[in-house]
Amino acid sequence: GAGVSQSPSNKVTEKGKDVELRCDPISGHTALYWYRQRLGQGLEFLIYFQGNSAPDKSGLPSDRFSAERTGESVSTLTIQRTQQEDSAVYLCASSLLGTYSYEQYFGPGTRLTVT
Amino acid sequence: TQLLEQSPQFLSIQEGENLTVYCNSSSVFSSLQWYRQEPGEGPVLLVTVVTGGEVKKLKRLTFQFGDARKDSSLHITAAQPGDTGLYLCAGGHWIIFGKGTRLHILP
Repeated sequence: GAGVSQSPSNKVTEKGKDVELRCDPISGHTALYWYRQRLGQGLEFLIYFQGNSAPDKSGLPSDRFSAERTGESVSTLTIQRTQQEDSAVYLCASSLLGTYSYEQYFGPGTRLTVT
Repeated sequence: TQLLEQSPQFLSIQEGENLTVYCNSSSVFSSLQWYRQEPGEGPVLLVTVVTGGEVKKLKRLTFQFGDARKDSSLHITAAQPGDTGLYLCAGGHWIIFGKGTRLHILP
């Protein structure tokens, strides 16, 4: 596709359940980022993938959060044993390393609600 | 730790007025980006500034990067309701985002 896509667009889950969020980056983009955005807030960095390098997981808030990426394609963000404070919009972005290496293109996000 | 402070947090003005929002840091950035985010959507890149003192124009939007590459500003001339949104600045190797300025233009 032409842009970054994310699925599902909305997810409602019960506290304690696991959820998996998916991101399809722009084809050819080697870098992929996950962010969390709480209601009315800015973006909170979670994790960064760059090619085959080890991901930068420094933003993950707890060990309940994990993410994987297959090569330079799809990524999944998994939240285990969800808590109400995990409710937020989860945004994925991809970028193509180049002269302006860190220009990011965002997906529409997945709105997660934990009840 | 690199931080980006944006001000004001909220701004509500009448259509046709001019405004400036700011993005400041105590750290030097090799480049800064400005994004606009509308409700229910992801942020959309508006511009990247790279050179200290650089000024870029995008229709009614003027972006400036400070000489020391520690700050940036966004000036909007004759604001329109379509300019309403959350304006985010971002920079740094691991992409630090400011908390944004929430702009509302009243018709």
